[in-house]
Amino acid sequence: ETGVTQSPTHLIKTRGQQVTLRCSSQSGHNTVSWYQQALGQGPQFIFQYYREEENGRGNFPPRFSGLQFPNYSSELNVNALELDDSALYLCASSLDYPWTGAETQYFGPGTRLLVL
Amino acid sequence: SQQGEEDPQALSIQEGENATMNCSYKTSINNLQWYRQNSGRGLVHLILIRSNEREKHSGRLRVTLDTSKKSSSLLITASRAADTASYFCATDAGDYKLSFGAGTTVTVRA
Repeated sequence: ETGVTQSPTHLIKTRGQQVTLRCSSQSGHNTVSWYQQALGQGPQFIFQYYREEENGRGNFPPRFSGLQFPNYSSELNVNALELDDSALYLCASSLDYPWTGAETQYFGPGTRLLVL
Repeated sequence: SQQGEEDPQALSIQEGENATMNCSYKTSINNLQWYRQNSGRGLVHLILIRSNEREKHSGRLRVTLDTSKKSSSLLITASRAADTASYFCATDAGDYKLSFGAGTTVTVRA
């Protein structure tokens, strides 16, 4: 158990719809990152939030957006869903603004999204 | 695109045997981390090795890092059925993200 929870565990949407995925980080973890993991692939970095501001972004279009709240919860929003958005979405939290080169990220169990 | 590449893609071993998997990466790193994933669920952090370290141990795990070759290996000794999982290496290049490889799927047969 990493202390990071995600909801829902599974979700089915149709193309063009919008979806919101939720993550609850460990208390005190000010940094949250979101990853997309397609079937048979490793996770791909979407973006990171630190103290409620976007801190960095991977190669994902603007229809992927996020929010982080003061209570250590966060959201990933995806608009205009496409079939290729079908994947496992993982959030990961870490203690502080790291990137001192030695921070462990704690992953949640993920939300599996299927877009039909 | 993925920074790291694991080799082999899949590995099947008998319980009690050792399992070795390798990771190669492309750019300079601050550290390299190994994660385990069971049945497509969340990732569990196994071990972190800094760029100035060459070898690290944690229980039955041994990780090596060769920055000149941009490669790392993970050895699991005396494997158990519970070690059946996918294993990923992830590199931290000093920016804000981890870059993962495609993983090695390990099956431990009883």
